[in-house]
Amino acid sequence: DGGITQSPKYLFRKEGQNVTLSCEQNLNHDAMYWYRQDPGQGLRLIYYSQIVNDFQKGDIAEGYSVSREKKESFPLTVTSAQKNPTAFYLCASSNLNRGSSGNTIYFGEGSWLTVV
Amino acid sequence: RKEVEQDPGPFNVPEGATVAFNCTYSNSASQSFFWYRQDCRKEPKLLMSVYSSGNEDGRFTAQLNRASQYISLLIRDSKLSDSATYLCVVILNTNAGKSTFGDGTTLTVKP
Repeated sequence: DGGITQSPKYLFRKEGQNVTLSCEQNLNHDAMYWYRQDPGQGLRLIYYSQIVNDFQKGDIAEGYSVSREKKESFPLTVTSAQKNPTAFYLCASSNLNRGSSGNTIYFGEGSWLTVV
Repeated sequence: RKEVEQDPGPFNVPEGATVAFNCTYSNSASQSFFWYRQDCRKEPKLLMSVYSSGNEDGRFTAQLNRASQYISLLIRDSKLSDSATYLCVVILNTNAGKSTFGDGTTLTVKP
């Protein structure tokens, strides 16, 4: 099946630890994104990437890092510098330059990160 | 001012009601618009794209007003299963890849 796979679905982290969330897509999409969602809040963009080996900071990039070594993979590392990392993390992908409806954003099922 | 703003919720309506949500955007150069639905503790899923001429999908109608810089979503004959949070999404440049989500409007349809 085509889609976006995030893992793990649930993750517990001790304070001071780095953790990496995996995101893989087999949709052959150019762009990939990471969002953070806090309870009762909207989505906030952490990082996005339009092409392999290139990525841009979103609105809340501090304390996070990403890489885009392959088109289908866009892992997110939550570092110890992120002071309040407990949240729902969503990975997404889309095609670019496909007209007004061709760049629909598709989401993975999300990863729940809790700091204990 | 936020780049994308949605009607404050929650909206509580009886089954069978018609309900409308608006979403305003600040950048007049925005190119693409969508409505997403998000159920509790789930990922957002595409409900419908919004076309300049307006478009309909069953009980759902989406409209775009570029002059006033807003999009709308109309739900007719509300069902219990329509209860969810509805997010509007605005993409400034289809080449650039960056999208902006509204904070969402929560709809609860009651028997």
